[in-house]
Amino acid sequence: RKEVEQDPGPFNVPEGATVAFNCTYSNSASQSFFWYRQDCRKEPKLLMSVYSSGNEDGRFTAQLNRASQYISLLIRDSKLSDSATYLCVVIPDSSGGYQKVTFGTGTKLQVIP
Amino acid sequence: GAGVSQSPSNKVTEKGKDVELRCDPISGHTALYWYRQSLGQGLEFLIYFQGNSAPDKSGLPSDRFSAERTGGSVSTLTIQRTQQEDSAVYLCASSLTVGSYNEQFFGPGTRLTVL
Repeated sequence: RKEVEQDPGPFNVPEGATVAFNCTYSNSASQSFFWYRQDCRKEPKLLMSVYSSGNEDGRFTAQLNRASQYISLLIRDSKLSDSATYLCVVIPDSSGGYQKVTFGTGTKLQVIP
Repeated sequence: GAGVSQSPSNKVTEKGKDVELRCDPISGHTALYWYRQSLGQGLEFLIYFQGNSAPDKSGLPSDRFSAERTGGSVSTLTIQRTQQEDSAVYLCASSLTVGSYNEQFFGPGTRLTVL
């Protein structure tokens, strides 16, 4: 099993739709989770952190399910500008020492007019 | 402030030649990472620096790949005797420190094409 797995998509959704992606991880000791966004031929940029209690940033909601070892990203009222690849990032807790950062391969979202 | 910069932005080389890719991290960032991304693929971890030392170089694909970091700042990734399968975008990222929350800031990448 891969350390971090994502459905590559593409997810093709109409403008205004709600879409959700999941990212599963294999290391139960993982402590920190993030979603990054990567536009076509651009570098990844941090979208949001994922907190244990779940967190929301405008139209974006991130959640963590430790029991099932996955994180999710929900996008409401999709915009054309949301079209991108969404990468999940999982980091184990090494108590301040080196942490192996693992990126998922990404889920591609295409919002259609 | 200035972000992570990389040079060159594009590099076309012939098979068998050596190339050097440079990364200037954000000032004060002690952690530096190199990744490789082939077309349509995810990020492949290459090497991690904390200061000038590389505690994790497990991702370097072969002994043709090497990297160094000097002065806790600039890093250079060197690929010797390039092969066509080395063609990819090479991304560098830096973060403030190693800690529980480790946001990485990426540079724009170097697009390497080996003919």
